[in-house]
Amino acid sequence: AQSVTQPDIHITVSEGASLELRCNYSYGATPYLFWYVQSPGQGLQLLLKYFSGDTLVQGIKGFEAEFKRSQSSFNLRKPSVHWSDAAEYFCAVGARAAGNKLTFGGGTRVLVKP
Amino acid sequence: ETGVTQSPTHLIKTRGQQVTLRCSSQSGHNTVSWYQQALGQGPQFIFQYYREEENGRGNFPPRFSGLQFPNYSSELNVNALELDDSALYLCASSLGGTGSRNEQFFGPGTRLTVL
Repeated sequence: AQSVTQPDIHITVSEGASLELRCNYSYGATPYLFWYVQSPGQGLQLLLKYFSGDTLVQGIKGFEAEFKRSQSSFNLRKPSVHWSDAAEYFCAVGARAAGNKLTFGGGTRVLVKP
Repeated sequence: ETGVTQSPTHLIKTRGQQVTLRCSSQSGHNTVSWYQQALGQGPQFIFQYYREEENGRGNFPPRFSGLQFPNYSSELNVNALELDDSALYLCASSLGGTGSRNEQFFGPGTRLTVL
């Protein structure tokens, strides 16, 4: 069975500082990996995705993520955070063998200090 | 290109009632997935419909049921509502079905409150 763990429930970061959100997954085969962002009261917006190939993936809004198979991780990074990045971030894993359902982590809430 | 839309935005029901939530998929998409997101948690997969057939189901009881129509829009029906059904219900559409990479595009959700 697939599972996703986001160890950090809350992260507070100063505007302009770097951000890294951790994601660890469990899946027997090569997973498809996703990061979504959710603003209060909103649906989910896809930031980036990994299917195969280059393990460093670039996304929207200046985000990137690195797939590390040996560590079963897919951490999200941003070099310089803007106040508008305050939101909840979800890591998700999907796989063809699982009928393409997405399994989400519990989320990390990011607060940005001025 | 029209994105995924859901209706209604908010809904309040009482325990034991039935509810129907609606989702219009993004233009060109033939697959719809439904997720339940309880407060403070990540979304949980309910089920997926591909070309009007159920194509996978999560760990939800049979009182959660769905439909997909020929235009690929979808409904989620929940019978005998329980307090724990209070959540944000998210619909996601994608192109393909089993075997696809299934990049899913989410709607804004329907907030259901059960009193």
